[in-house]
Order: sequence, then structure tokens, then C-alpha cells
Amino acid sequence: NAGVTQTPKFQVLKTGQSMTLQCAQDMNHEYMSWYRQDPGMGLRLIHYSVGAGITDQGEVPNGYNVSRSTTEDFPLRLLSAAPSQTSVYFCASRQTGTSGYTFGSGTRLTVV
Amino acid sequence: AQSVTQLDSQVPVFEEAPVELRCNYSSSVSVYLFWYVQYPNQGLQLLLKYLSGSTLVKGINGFEAEFNKSQTSFHLRKPSVHISDTAEYFCAVTTPAGGGADGLTFGKGTHLIIQP
Repeated sequence: NAGVTQTPKFQVLKTGQSMTLQCAQDMNHEYMSWYRQDPGMGLRLIHYSVGAGITDQGEVPNGYNVSRSTTEDFPLRLLSAAPSQTSVYFCASRQTGTSGYTFGSGTRLTVV
Repeated sequence: AQSVTQLDSQVPVFEEAPVELRCNYSSSVSVYLFWYVQYPNQGLQLLLKYLSGSTLVKGINGFEAEFNKSQTSFHLRKPSVHISDTAEYFCAVTTPAGGGADGLTFGKGTHLIIQP
């Protein structure tokens, strides 16, 4: 099915470990973004990209890196995981000239 | 920068009763407004959106919302709720494409609890 695919769905990390959360879309959307969802906080923007090779920081970028080498993929990297990064992460995309964002099903990350 | 305030963190309602979930926003430029629904352990699904034009917007599952520019509000309503409407509801705002940083600014969410 077309849409935004996130992997893995669940992950447990130890403090200090690194990992990459994957996000891929097959709708040829230019815009992609990462959010984290914490209880009582809603969703907060981590990083976003307006096209291949272009990324920028959102509201809560510290501790996360991104890159956008292709239109389809927008991975989120945690270089040294911390318990404060325990959260549910959502990837979203939209097409240029439209306002409709499509969300992935999320990755639940626990850092112990 | 924009901000969104959802005035109620939790709203209990009896089945078949009407409901209103409140949302206020703040922005120095024109905005697009959205309501999303999140069912337990799932992603976000778009209920409806306001871009321009008619201030009354109809969405899926019988929901509607009214944009009020003078009150900077975008309240969500449903005339008769069902058990299946139990979920978390998020109000969100963004600026029109090209108006600044991309991405949505979300409120903290309202948990709608339907009581039989």
C-alpha cells in the first residue's frame, strides 16, 4: 500500500547506544518531517526536509541527526541514546503545494 | 512562530450526546488548521482541515469544525458521538507553503472518553 512506512515498530536501546529510525514514502512527496510524541505534550517537530539534500531543525532537534539523500527516505539517527529520548516517533510527508500531511504508524522507542 | 492551545485535556461524554473539543491558536501570519485523531496504539488520521474559504469545515466520521478568525479558534464538534469515537484528538496549525519552516505545530491533545 502507498504511504509512509516506518521501521522498526518497537525498539529498546541501552543508554549510549546508537540507532537509526527508518522512514520511507512512495508518494514522491517533497516534504518530510519527524515528530516525537510524549504523554501530555502532543507531537513536537524534531527535524524536517523540504527536498533531497535539504534539512532543517524543528522545535526539539538536540540529540538527533537527519539526512535526505533521496526523495523517498528520511532516516532519523540517535548517536548516543538517552532515557529522555524514550518516546513514540512519527514520520510524516506531504507534496509540494498541498497542505495534507500523511503520517506513518510510528516507532515506539524505549531507552533504558 | 505559531502555538496551539487545546483547552481540555480530557472530555467525558455520554454516548449519543453532542461534543465540542476546543482549540485556540496564535500566529502572526495566516494559517492552515487541522484536526487529527489518534486511536489507541495507532498513527494519526486527518479528520478535517481549514485552508481558506468557508469557515465551516466538514470532515470524516460526522465531525465538523468552525474557523473563527476574530476568536482565533477552530473548535471541533460532533452532534452525536459513538463509543468508537473514543480517541485522542489533536489540533494543529501550519503556515501556507513557502511562508516559513515546514511542519505542523500541535496542541497537547484532548482525550475524548465516551461513556455508555
